[in-house]
Amino acid sequence: AQKVTQAQTEISVVEKEDVTLDCVYETRDTTYYLFWYKQPPSGELVFLIRRNSFDEQNEISGRYSWNFQKSTSSFNFTITASQVVDSAVYFCALIKSYNQGGKLIFGQGTELSVKP
Amino acid sequence: DAGVTQSPTHLIKTRGQQVTLRCSPKSGHDTVSWYQQALGQGPQFIFQYYEEEERQRGNFPDRFSGHQFPNYSSELNVNALLLGDSALYLCASSRRGNTEAFFGQGTRLTVV
Repeated sequence: AQKVTQAQTEISVVEKEDVTLDCVYETRDTTYYLFWYKQPPSGELVFLIRRNSFDEQNEISGRYSWNFQKSTSSFNFTITASQVVDSAVYFCALIKSYNQGGKLIFGQGTELSVKP
Repeated sequence: DAGVTQSPTHLIKTRGQQVTLRCSPKSGHDTVSWYQQALGQGPQFIFQYYEEEERQRGNFPDRFSGHQFPNYSSELNVNALLLGDSALYLCASSRRGNTEAFFGQGTRLTVV
């Protein structure tokens, strides 16, 4: 069975601090995809990144960076120099295989609050 | 290019009633998935439609049913509403074989 665990329920930081959101996943599949989504108060899930199980390169996009480590089944997300606009709930998710596009298994989410 | 649109935005229903939620996928997408997100939880997969057929289903009772139309839009129907059905219902569209899903803003259903 697949499972995604986000142990941090809530995180509160002050603006300009760096923050890391943890994600640990479980799957027996050798091919899978991992995602991060942002959910602002409006409710819509906003896609941030997708990684496949064969690509362990870290990725940086502006203030966002992701660290994928298969050895520890983790896919952590770091926001550098956080801003108030980063306040949202962040979800880590897993898709079992290429042919199951859209069937995402989500973690419980981490609510990030960035205070000015 | 319009993204995924859902209607209505909010809905209040009484226990035992039936409800229909609607979703129009992003242009070029042919697969629609529905998710239920209870307060404080991550979204849970309900089912997925492709070529007007239900292709995959999560752990939800038969009270939850759906439909996909030839233009790829989709409906989610819930019968005999329970208080526990109160949640944000999210629609996601994708292109068959592509793992990237785009979400609508959701329909917030309250059952009283």
